[in-house]
Amino acid sequence: EAQVTQNPRYLITVTGKKLTVTCSQNMNHEYMSWYRQDPGLGLRQIYYSMNVEVTDKGDVPEGYKVSRKEKRNFPLILESPSPNQTSLYFCASSPRPGTEAFFGQGTRLTVV
Amino acid sequence: GENVEQHPSTLSVQEGDSAVIKCTYSDSASNYFPWYKQELGKRPQLIIDIRSNVGEKKDQRIAVTLNKTAKHFSLHITETQPEDSAVYFCAATHGNNRLAFGKGNQVVVIP
Repeated sequence: EAQVTQNPRYLITVTGKKLTVTCSQNMNHEYMSWYRQDPGLGLRQIYYSMNVEVTDKGDVPEGYKVSRKEKRNFPLILESPSPNQTSLYFCASSPRPGTEAFFGQGTRLTVV
Repeated sequence: GENVEQHPSTLSVQEGDSAVIKCTYSDSASNYFPWYKQELGKRPQLIIDIRSNVGEKKDQRIAVTLNKTAKHFSLHITETQPEDSAVYFCAATHGNNRLAFGKGNQVVVIP
């Protein structure tokens, strides 16, 4: 089954404790991205990747890192999480920019 | 950067009536305009999209219209049903590689 898989689905952590949210797609898509969803603010792009080893900042990259060592995986790294990073995070993949984005199930992160 | 705005933020309609959601965008180079539906607790899913070389596209009860001159596009849902209740996001490409989303519209279909 074609899908985008994120883990974990829910995470509660403490300020400053490094964490990684994984994202994997099995559709051989070149384009992958991370979004955060906050009430009243919609979906905002954090980082995106055009292909392996090619990543770039989206609209709200501060406090986040990403890597794209393999085509299928695009982890989101929070080196030192802060409470303002409490949010619902979605990973998405597309064959290429400007085509349908397939979203993962979402990761609800709470930083206390 | 691209600025995508949606109106209204909340829309309530009687079952069977039509719903229309409008989006405006700022980047005249935008060429791809998708609409996503997000049901409560679920992930966003594409319901329809349109490219800048097309003015209108229809898929059963859903249609999208694009006015490039005015830089706005609209989602039309006819014969609304309770399962159409959801948050709807419009989006527009900007730069060559990015997708900017609006803040979303809550549509409530009243049985």
